[in-house]
Amino acid sequence: QSVLTQPPSASGAPGQRVTISCSGSSSNIGSNTVNWYQQLPGTAPKVLIYIDNQRPSGVPDRFSGSKSGTSASLVISGLLSEDEAYYYCAAWDDSLTGVVFGGGTKVTVL
Amino acid sequence: QVQLQESGPGQVKTSQTLSLTCTVSGGSLNSGDSYWSWIRQPAGKGLEWIGRVFRSGATNYNPSLETRITISIDTSKRQFSLKLSSVTAADTAVYYCARERAYYYNSATSNWFDSWGQGALVTVSP
Repeated sequence: QSVLTQPPSASGAPGQRVTISCSGSSSNIGSNTVNWYQQLPGTAPKVLIYIDNQRPSGVPDRFSGSKSGTSASLVISGLLSEDEAYYYCAAWDDSLTGVVFGGGTKVTVL
Repeated sequence: QVQLQESGPGQVKTSQTLSLTCTVSGGSLNSGDSYWSWIRQPAGKGLEWIGRVFRSGATNYNPSLETRITISIDTSKRQFSLKLSSVTAADTAVYYCARERAYYYNSATSNWFDSWGQGALVTVSP
């Protein structure tokens, strides 16, 4: 059971928009910033969004993040086949004094 | 661009100690805005944060693993290490080392893993 809650799966046709939610509590998302990671098959995760809504250089602007209260969302606009991957949210938890991850969401491009 | 590489035995026997080292290149372990972290992922499952070490040697550990973990750093060798004792089959996983950037602003912690190693599979067997 992960501290942060994500839907196990999400899907969309090429070009569509997909939204992945991440629900936490006042000790993690409610107090600290959220990050999103993309993990392609057989590879290490890669940061997609940091500090709630910042994109590292090289990450397409099709990916966007937002946060409200104790929940966060990742939106993929204009879905491409190369976006098929697992997506994880993460944040620092003040109560646990450590990083907590969501269980991951598998995105399928139909 | 900082690069990280895990190294260590790919197999460990039950009840023994798992030991991994992460070697860092292209960057300094003495950076004041970085922690050096370990994260693991059992096959087909999600990510689990194990713990982290700062340049000073200060550590934070996952409470669920705390009694079995030691993470240390050797800045002169550009390495940090993980030791996990009394392993069982449940500790079989891909182990990643990563650089964690960390900032504090308005009482909020902003941290993210911006560089990862390729991962090392460690299998625990009887």
